[in-house]
Amino acid sequence: QKEVEQNSGPLSVPEGAIASLNCTYSDRVSQSFFWYRQYSGKSPELIMSIYSNGDKEDGRFTAQLNKASQYVSLLIRDSQPSDSATYLCAVWGTGGGSQGNLIFGKGTKLSVKP
Amino acid sequence: GAGVSQSPSNKVTEKGKDVELRCDPISGHTALYWYRQSLGQGLEFLIYFQGNSAPDKSGLPSDRFSAERTGGSVSTLTIQRTQQEDSAVYLCASSLVGRPSGAADTQYFGPGTRLTVL
Repeated sequence: QKEVEQNSGPLSVPEGAIASLNCTYSDRVSQSFFWYRQYSGKSPELIMSIYSNGDKEDGRFTAQLNKASQYVSLLIRDSQPSDSATYLCAVWGTGGGSQGNLIFGKGTKLSVKP
Repeated sequence: GAGVSQSPSNKVTEKGKDVELRCDPISGHTALYWYRQSLGQGLEFLIYFQGNSAPDKSGLPSDRFSAERTGGSVSTLTIQRTQQEDSAVYLCASSLVGRPSGAADTQYFGPGTRLTVL
């Protein structure tokens, strides 16, 4: 069973700080990784995707991927209270019953304090 | 354009009853997915539809669960003889191409149906 692991949190950071969200995955062959944001009572929305080792920046968000360590992270710079949500890490499955499916972690709850 | 819509938004039922959950994907999207999100759990894949191809039902947890997609558009997830462990939020997502595109195809989620089985 392919797995995606995240610290459930809550992760609490002050407004303006950098929030660092981490995710590890078990499928060594995975090539595609995603971060979704889910506000309480709402549906997930895609905020970042990353396919290559290294960093990918989009505004205040930076996704980091290290395939050798099977680790993907999301940094949120200048955190705002509106960033308070649960962040879901997802990995595109490559086999073993998971091929062609997104495998989601349980999510990390982020709280940004004013 | 309109996003993915789901109905009802909330459903409370008694154990043993059947329920139907509806998903209306984004117009033109050929791929449709159903997921389940239980309290404190990640999203669990249930079933995948791609155009007119046979669906991938590998995620359905039991034979009480079934789904269909009529005319390549609207989908209905049916749970027969509901049990308390079926209580969860059922999310539908659609994407433009689905698996043939690889993972680059963004999935857009609907607002979900919160199912409570008493």
